[in-house]
Amino acid sequence: AAGVIQSPRHLIKEKRETATLKCYPIPRHDTVYWYQQGPGQDPQFLISFYEKMQSDKGSIPDRFSAQQFSDYHSELNMSSLELGDSALYFCASSPPDLYTYNEQFFGPGTRLTVL
Amino acid sequence: DAKTTQPPSMDCAEGRAANLPCNHSTISGNEYVYWYRQIHSQGPQYIIHGLKNNETNEMASLIITEDRKSSTLILPHATLRDTAVYYCIVGFQKLVFGTGTRLLVSP
Repeated sequence: AAGVIQSPRHLIKEKRETATLKCYPIPRHDTVYWYQQGPGQDPQFLISFYEKMQSDKGSIPDRFSAQQFSDYHSELNMSSLELGDSALYFCASSPPDLYTYNEQFFGPGTRLTVL
Repeated sequence: DAKTTQPPSMDCAEGRAANLPCNHSTISGNEYVYWYRQIHSQGPQYIIHGLKNNETNEMASLIITEDRKSSTLILPHATLRDTAVYYCIVGFQKLVFGTGTRLLVSP
């Protein structure tokens, strides 16, 4: 079965550079979530999109922005990178049905290292 | 979102049942209880969820107390591959991860 695809899987950037992480949800999934997991920490919710509109926002820095495109893939744009942005970034998708809980299917993550 | 409390770690012998408790005393009426696990930096994996009733699927059972203030995840026959961090999460849609329980299954 198709899974959530994230690219790139690994990314190394210098401080103050920008990075773009991409997420391709499972086909027919219309909701995308982004999570950040720092070293030795638990995942933290950043932001989510439903039908190309932002649906919820967590602890996402102002330096980060995200969007969901017409084909439902999503991109997380990170600017002015800091050392503390080094983390695993997970994308998850869930199928349509706003009014009941739908399990989230997680991708393998993008490991971002900021030097 | 309601906060959850879980023991930081638990041990279980292979083949035995693993019972992972979770307290969520501030849960509100429309919030689900869901369980995910994360195996060594892989993406978290959904296990099970429930609202009021006990639930069972091919992976686990979820027992929710009548007042909904606590729940227990049961892995009926733990295997070495069940070694992971187990997260009990309460809410609706977005997942607010706590610190989880690190379950170690030993031979």
